[in-house]
Amino acid sequence: EAGVTQFPSHSVIEKGQTVTLRCDPISGHDNLYWYRRVMGKEIKFLLHFVKESKQDESGMPNNRFLAERTGGTYSTLKVQPAELEDSGVYFCASSQGPVNYGYTFGSGTRLTVV
Amino acid sequence: AQTVTQSQPEMSVQEAETVTLSCTYDTSESDYYLFWYKQPPSRQMILVIRQEAYKQQNATENRFSVNFQKAAKSFSLKISDSQLGDAAMYFCAYRRYTDKLIFGTGTRLQVFP
Repeated sequence: EAGVTQFPSHSVIEKGQTVTLRCDPISGHDNLYWYRRVMGKEIKFLLHFVKESKQDESGMPNNRFLAERTGGTYSTLKVQPAELEDSGVYFCASSQGPVNYGYTFGSGTRLTVV
Repeated sequence: AQTVTQSQPEMSVQEAETVTLSCTYDTSESDYYLFWYKQPPSRQMILVIRQEAYKQQNATENRFSVNFQKAAKSFSLKISDSQLGDAAMYFCAYRRYTDKLIFGTGTRLQVFP
């Protein structure tokens, strides 16, 4: 089966611009998660979708971040306007249901805001 | 709040040798799950090993094993017979049931021939 796909793999934008990251989960996976790692720090949870609904968005840093999941399939994470501190690697992960194991991660999108 | 601490930003090991990566965590819960993830230079994070807190037996996956000390809240990863392909960032993570994963800051492992 195809894994979790994220694109772009890299993005360099200027402060104040808008960037949209996309995640395609494994087909049939209802749960989709976004995480972010700022350089040198821990990976932090951003939000969790169950199908198209936001189950937990407690990790979203501020209202410049907007996540959507159209029809319970792929998800987008938009940052508008981007700030320097938004730089980092954004990971997406998916799982089939409530699991007590780990889940499948994508390769991440490295975002650099200059 | 739960926290995960990895106190070794970088480690190195010679090929075929054994290395242990440290992880401690803080929680007031008694039931939870612990994980080690590996992120090679290609950047996709891969689950290496997991441990259920209610199990006393340490998890093992081929050359990877853990030393789970529940009372001490310690969860170290031992890599035996290290291979060049083991070079990666290793992240320790905690999860209670279906809650979000809580990660440490990671340990970069270098493997020398």
